[in-house]
Amino acid sequence: DQQVKQNSPSLSVQEGRISILNCDYTNSMFDYFLWYKKYPAEGPTFLISISSIKDKNEDGRFTVFLNKSAKHLSLHIVPSQPGDSAVYFCAASAGDYKLSFGAGTTVTVRA
Amino acid sequence: SQTIHQWPATLVQPVGSPLSLECTVEGTSNPNLYWYRQAAGRGLQLLFYSVGIGQISSEVPQNLSASRPQDRQFILSSKKLLLSDSGFYLCAWTPGPTRDQYFGAGTRLSVL
Repeated sequence: DQQVKQNSPSLSVQEGRISILNCDYTNSMFDYFLWYKKYPAEGPTFLISISSIKDKNEDGRFTVFLNKSAKHLSLHIVPSQPGDSAVYFCAASAGDYKLSFGAGTTVTVRA
Repeated sequence: SQTIHQWPATLVQPVGSPLSLECTVEGTSNPNLYWYRQAAGRGLQLLFYSVGIGQISSEVPQNLSASRPQDRQFILSSKKLLLSDSGFYLCAWTPGPTRDQYFGAGTRLSVL
């Protein structure tokens, strides 16, 4: 049962433009959400998180938006850089320490 | 500073052989520890987690087991590997009450 879904397996964006990654979830008990970035053959790197009491969290070029009524979150990367080319995973937690992950979106930043 | 070590980076094992993957965390005490597996083209699947020495919770019944013999050491094992055990295995930790998990570099396991 996939409770966290990333419906776009890939995204191509031009360098300097905005990358928007989307994530949907089905479990209404999820109250904490995270985004990770992963390069091939490496472990995921934590990017940014957001609690369900907020609808936006920003950290440098990364902003996460949460729409609880739609059970939807998104990650905005502005401006996109070549080093941002990676697989991005969203994850969610339902009040405990376990995370449920989406399948990932592969971002390619074109020069 | 806190760091996580996971080894080996790559492992090729024959079907039916045993497995032992080790993960250690430095610079913290009493971390929560996790083992995940990523199959090709899939997300991360939680296999085991531990909130203390000797405390192991299993998320998915399968051919694997986990142990935590020391506070900052987490071991993933199998007595007899199956072809379906191939994948990318990741260890992660959280420093206590936070839910932000931090991952090791991973082990690519190929069972042939």
